[in-house]
Amino acid sequence: EVQLVESGGGLVQPGGSLRLSCTASGFTFSYYWLHWVRQAPGKGLVWVSLINSDGSSPSYADSVKGRFTISRDNAENTLYLHMNSLRAEDTAVYYCARGRRAYTIQDAFDIWGQGTMVTVS
Amino acid sequence: EIVLRQSPGTLSLSPGERATLSCRASQSVSSGYLAWYQQKPGQAPRLLIYGASSRAAGIPDRFSGSGSGTDFTLTISRLEPEDFAVFYCHQYGSSPYTFGQGTKLEIK
Repeated sequence: EVQLVESGGGLVQPGGSLRLSCTASGFTFSYYWLHWVRQAPGKGLVWVSLINSDGSSPSYADSVKGRFTISRDNAENTLYLHMNSLRAEDTAVYYCARGRRAYTIQDAFDIWGQGTMVTVS
Repeated sequence: EIVLRQSPGTLSLSPGERATLSCRASQSVSSGYLAWYQQKPGQAPRLLIYGASSRAAGIPDRFSGSGSGTDFTLTISRLEPEDFAVFYCHQYGSSPYTFGQGTKLEIK
């Protein structure tokens, strides 16, 4: 089964740090662009970051640029989001998601994890 | 940044009826890189439509997408009880990728 499973969420104080992980199975992880998307409680979806298949080209939303770092370990089939200088407004469920086609920059997100909750308080 | 505005905010319909959801972009979405997702409470979003009009794998044919440029539509031809949820449009043609604010489809 093709799936993504996030972990690492929790309660953290403002200014603190957290590392989220997203472990993939059922597909060739290294072929795909991957994304982080977040959703504050009761709110809509917000794109956070993306990384290309070999990890050489990350991109970020302005709201997290300079504070968050996306990375991946293709040998371990794992995507990461390192979050520093956390703020109350970063409180959200964080989803990892896969671009639909291999080696394709612009594509819809066809596989999503179940999400991990991050609370900054 | 491309801003996506969805309308209506809430749509109240009965099973068997037709649903029409709108997504308008602040500037043209390149190459029709527009997707639609369905999200139920406590669940991750599910991809329904990509490329403005192509159904994702396993999506019933009662779901259809149309549009180009700045105006896009998701149509559900005959609502089933399991279709009631929140729907989001999403443009992935230019960074930063953006989502609409969502349309809640509720049972009347």
